Amino acid sequence: DGGITQSPKYLFRKEGQNVTLSCEQNLNHDAMYWYRQDPGQGLRLIYYSQIVNDFQKGDIAEGYSVSREKKESFPLTVTSAQKNPTAFYLCASSTLTGGRFYGYTFGSGTRLTVV
Amino acid sequence: AQTVTQSQPEMSVQEAETVTLSCTYDTSESDYYLFWYKQPPSRQMILVIRQEAYKQQNATENRFSVNFQKAAKSFSLKISDSQLGDAAMYFCAYRSADNYGQNFVFGPGTRLSVLP
Repeated sequence: DGGITQSPKYLFRKEGQNVTLSCEQNLNHDAMYWYRQDPGQGLRLIYYSQIVNDFQKGDIAEGYSVSREKKESFPLTVTSAQKNPTAFYLCASSTLTGGRFYGYTFGSGTRLTVV
Repeated sequence: AQTVTQSQPEMSVQEAETVTLSCTYDTSESDYYLFWYKQPPSRQMILVIRQEAYKQQNATENRFSVNFQKAAKSFSLKISDSQLGDAAMYFCAYRSADNYGQNFVFGPGTRLSVLP
């Protein structure tokens, strides 16, 4: 079955550590996205990529980095510069069908906690 | 810039009853998409319904339907015959039909409780 796989489901980070969240899709989607969700809040865009080897900052990119070396993969690194990284992280992908947009497909998320 | 507003932070409905969630948006564009996503306690985001702005007919998906009022920039979601499994956060989202560099604009969400 096609879908988006995020791993790990739960991640614990010590102060000052970099951690990488994995996002893999087998939907052949061109675009991929990373969102952050804080408790009781909506979704805020961190980074997005519309093609391989290209990505753009979203609204809250500071303290995060990404890469897009393969169409299927869009890992997110939370660096030590991100002062409040405890949150739920969602990866999504999308494509156009017949030139029209049909929405995002989301992964199941990663819960990151700083310990 | 586009904005999406959901004026009801929380709502509740009795099982088997009907509930309507409100969404308004602000845009100067004429061609765009609107969506409702559901986020249950598992936190998996699930697409509920999609509407294309150039289509006047309101979208429906089983018990879920929308009331799309383009001139009023309103996009409400109606859930009929509410079930316990409908309890979730519901997010309204906007996306321009300009396919270059466009992303979703999400509303803040409405938490729906279903009472047995």
